[in-house]
Amino acid sequence: EAGVAQSPRYKIIEKRQSVAFWCNPISGHATLYWYQQILGQGPKLLIQFQNNGVVDDSQLPKDRFSAERLKGVDSTLKIQPAKLEDSAVYLCASSKAGNEQFFGPGTRLTVL
Amino acid sequence: GESVGLHLPTLSVQEGDNSIINCAYSNSASDYFIWYKQESGKGPQFIIDIRSNMDKRQGQRVTVLLNKTVKHLSLQIAATQPGDSAVYFCAENMSAGNTPLVFGKGTRLSVIA
Repeated sequence: EAGVAQSPRYKIIEKRQSVAFWCNPISGHATLYWYQQILGQGPKLLIQFQNNGVVDDSQLPKDRFSAERLKGVDSTLKIQPAKLEDSAVYLCASSKAGNEQFFGPGTRLTVL
Repeated sequence: GESVGLHLPTLSVQEGDNSIINCAYSNSASDYFIWYKQESGKGPQFIIDIRSNMDKRQGQRVTVLLNKTVKHLSLQIAATQPGDSAVYFCAENMSAGNTPLVFGKGTRLSVIA
C-alpha cells in the first residue's frame, strides 16, 4: 500500500512570497490532516478534512493560510504572504477510520 | 501548544539496554493515547496506542503504560537497537467526535552502539 505523498520535499522562499504544498493521501482514507511542525516541537494541527468538508480549522491562521480538498482526495495548503515564523515542516496525514493517522514525509519550508 | 524551543530532552542508552520514555498529558478527558517515532527527515510513524480503559499494552519490543491518576504515559523499548534512535512523541485525544490529536513534547532517544 502506497503511503501519504507530499511535494515538494523542500522549499525556500523569501518573506511575503507565496507557497503551496500538495498532499495525496492513502487511497480510501476519508480524513486528511495538515500539521505544522516547528523545529524542536511536536506537530500542531492546522486543518482537518472529512472528504471535502472542513472538520476543524480552528488553529489555521486564516489571514494567510488556506487549504482545500476539492474532490475529497488530494489537498493543497497555501501560505500567502509568508512570514519568517512560518518556517517549519508541513506534514500531511490521512486516516480511514478510528484514530490511526498515517503521516507523509513532510515539506520543509524555509522563509528568508 | 506549549513551546519547548529548540532543545529536546534527550535520553542516551547503550545498545541492548531497555529504554523508558515518559510523557505527561494535559487533558483528563483524553481517552486515547498514541506513541509516534519520528526519524530525521521523515514524518511521525505510529508505534503503539492505548485506550483509557487499559493501563498496559504490549507490542513487539514495546510496552505502553498508562497512569490516569497522575496523567502519565510511558513507552518502554526492550533491547534497544541503533535503529530505535529517533524523536518519540506521545499524542492524546478524545476518540469520540473525531477530535484532533494533541502532541506532547518530544524526547530524543540516542542509542550508543
